[in-house]
Amino acid sequence: SAVISQKPSRDICQRGTSLTIQCQVDSQVTMMFWYRQQPGQSLTLIATANQGSEATYESGFVIDKFPISRPNLTFSTLTVSNMSPEDSSIYLCSVERVGVTQYFGPGTRLTVL
Amino acid sequence: AQTVTQSQPEMSVQEAETVTLSCTYDTSENNYYLFWYKQPPSRQMILVIRQEAYKQQNATENRFSVNFQKAAKSFSLKISDSQLGDTAMYFCAFIADNYGQNFVFGPGTRLSVLP
Repeated sequence: SAVISQKPSRDICQRGTSLTIQCQVDSQVTMMFWYRQQPGQSLTLIATANQGSEATYESGFVIDKFPISRPNLTFSTLTVSNMSPEDSSIYLCSVERVGVTQYFGPGTRLTVL
Repeated sequence: AQTVTQSQPEMSVQEAETVTLSCTYDTSENNYYLFWYKQPPSRQMILVIRQEAYKQQNATENRFSVNFQKAAKSFSLKISDSQLGDTAMYFCAFIADNYGQNFVFGPGTRLSVLP
């Protein structure tokens, strides 16, 4: 498995502002993933972040809205930009281990007023 | 495209009893992996069990076991001797064994274990 931490664990933000979420892993990993989980819903992949290259975004998600950094093999950030109430969700990062198995961080609960 | 269906939005079970959660999936791939994840109210996603499609033997992890029916594209989770700590959302997930493939999650089943 992997020990994954996320900061902040939760936040309440005003409309139009931005929030950066950090994800830290206890060991080096090649691939990190960012998911969004809207209230009462399942997980939706936002993007895949590989160290040393641009993140790969899924359909419906764009870099201007969700910029991602991956400066090294143990750390990544996701920024939610120009937030609106529709961005209120849980944001989770995950890493790939044991082949394709993914292990998840504790999540960041974001509320946008 | 692959899809994952969980037909039971909510279920409940008495403590110490056995419960089975259903999952079906649709794919044209022959090699893939299936997972069950648990998300308690704390929201941490926890891996419960994993199954490789090429393995005929059903995976087991302590009180958790699966019934994997490849031809029927069915992957159910059985929880034996249910405990209050099993109360959570359970998500079935699929990933094809091809480069660049991503996880596909089902909509989830909310399980409540009753004292």
